[in-house]
Amino acid sequence: GNSVTQMEGPVTLSEEAFLTINCTYTATGYPSLFWYVQYPGEGLQLLLKATKADDKGSNKGFEATYRKETTSFHLEKGSVQVSDSAVYFCALSLHMFSGGYNKLIFGAGTRLAVHP
Amino acid sequence: DAMVIQNPRYQVTQFGKPVTLSCSQTLNHNVMYWYQQKSSQAPKLLFHYYDKDFNNEADTPDNFQSRRPNTSFCFLDIRSPGLGDAAMYLCATSRDATGGGEQYFGPGTRLTVT
Repeated sequence: GNSVTQMEGPVTLSEEAFLTINCTYTATGYPSLFWYVQYPGEGLQLLLKATKADDKGSNKGFEATYRKETTSFHLEKGSVQVSDSAVYFCALSLHMFSGGYNKLIFGAGTRLAVHP
Repeated sequence: DAMVIQNPRYQVTQFGKPVTLSCSQTLNHNVMYWYQQKSSQAPKLLFHYYDKDFNNEADTPDNFQSRRPNTSFCFLDIRSPGLGDAAMYLCATSRDATGGGEQYFGPGTRLTVT
């Protein structure tokens, strides 16, 4: 089946530390891959995306590369800030021919806490 | 700015009392989705509209209904809320089935059932 697995949290880091949140997926076909971020009490915001193998998505200092050979899309940031504290969701998008829409399959989410 | 708006942000209802949550979008997207998110979990898709075509997920309880009177608005109706329906409800949109497949989310409505 189609699924997304991401590392369990919480991940606790000091400000300016390097961040990696691992994400691997299982999918039929060639999905698009996303990272969404959710701040406390808010909805999900699209952080970055990649639509094909070897694409690198980047935004606000975060990066992730679509690795087809390892079925991975790990999120990285070189220097985290307190304001990056949030829950991060890895997701893949499947095109559903019945219903004509794209279905998002989410990982369980990883909570990041950054301390000064 | 084009966006997805949800009202109210917080809703309190009584056990068994019908409640309606609303979502509007200025993105002119074809597809609108409703998700339920319980604490510390990933969002769970309840249903979606592609234009006027309604599509229910197989495991969505009958207690949840939806209406989309026009392109911009979509409503989630919970006919008889139970304590287990307390959650964050997220509305999302996407342009259509082509493209990268990203969805744009509103800020959510947190529902409390007393």
